[in-house]
Amino acid sequence: TQLLEQSPQFLSIQEGENLTVYCNSSSVFSSLQWYRQEPGEGPVLLVTVVTGGEVKKLKRLTFQFGDARKDSSLHITAAQPGDTGLYLCAGEDGSSNTGKLIFGQGTTLQVKP
Amino acid sequence: SAVISQKPSRDICQRGTSLTIQCQVDSQVTMMFWYRQQPGQSLTLIATANQGSEATYESGFVIDKFPISRPNLTFSTLTVSNMSPEDSSIYLCSVEGHFRTTEAFFGQGTRLTVV
Repeated sequence: TQLLEQSPQFLSIQEGENLTVYCNSSSVFSSLQWYRQEPGEGPVLLVTVVTGGEVKKLKRLTFQFGDARKDSSLHITAAQPGDTGLYLCAGEDGSSNTGKLIFGQGTTLQVKP
Repeated sequence: SAVISQKPSRDICQRGTSLTIQCQVDSQVTMMFWYRQQPGQSLTLIATANQGSEATYESGFVIDKFPISRPNLTFSTLTVSNMSPEDSSIYLCSVEGHFRTTEAFFGQGTRLTVV
């Protein structure tokens, strides 16, 4: 069974600080995705990483896919209160051909002004 | 991307009753997914709904408790039957991206409280 271990589960920081969220697995994924979810809303896709070693930047957010495609990280530079939310990593369940996603446990980020 | 309208956005229900959640997509999609989520926690897949066939349920979820309809390629419903307080949760529908990418698009969710 493919699992995605996400850490930390909860993070509370001050505005302006940097942070990194990790998503690890013992399984290889063809791609990994990162979502952000705000209260009262569904998750919204931030990025998909596909190639081992790939780095993608989205303003202050930097996403990296491990060389072996088993892990990924999300780094936020100079966090702002608007970054507050639940961050989820996800990958396609390789045991099925239905497009099902496996989600990490999530990281709740709180950025205090 | 796909635009998904889910309703109701929230409801408070009496135990023993049933609630049907609707999910409307602005384009035709092959598969739709129903998830359950405790606030602040990750998503648990309930079932995959394909048009024209019975839904496929994940371990721990059964059709009698969570019947699903998928009458066409843009619409699905999830019913939470004979509710108990343990069913209080957020329920989300989701569709895959166009061209069968694995990226998912979600409705805004239904926050259900059973009293």
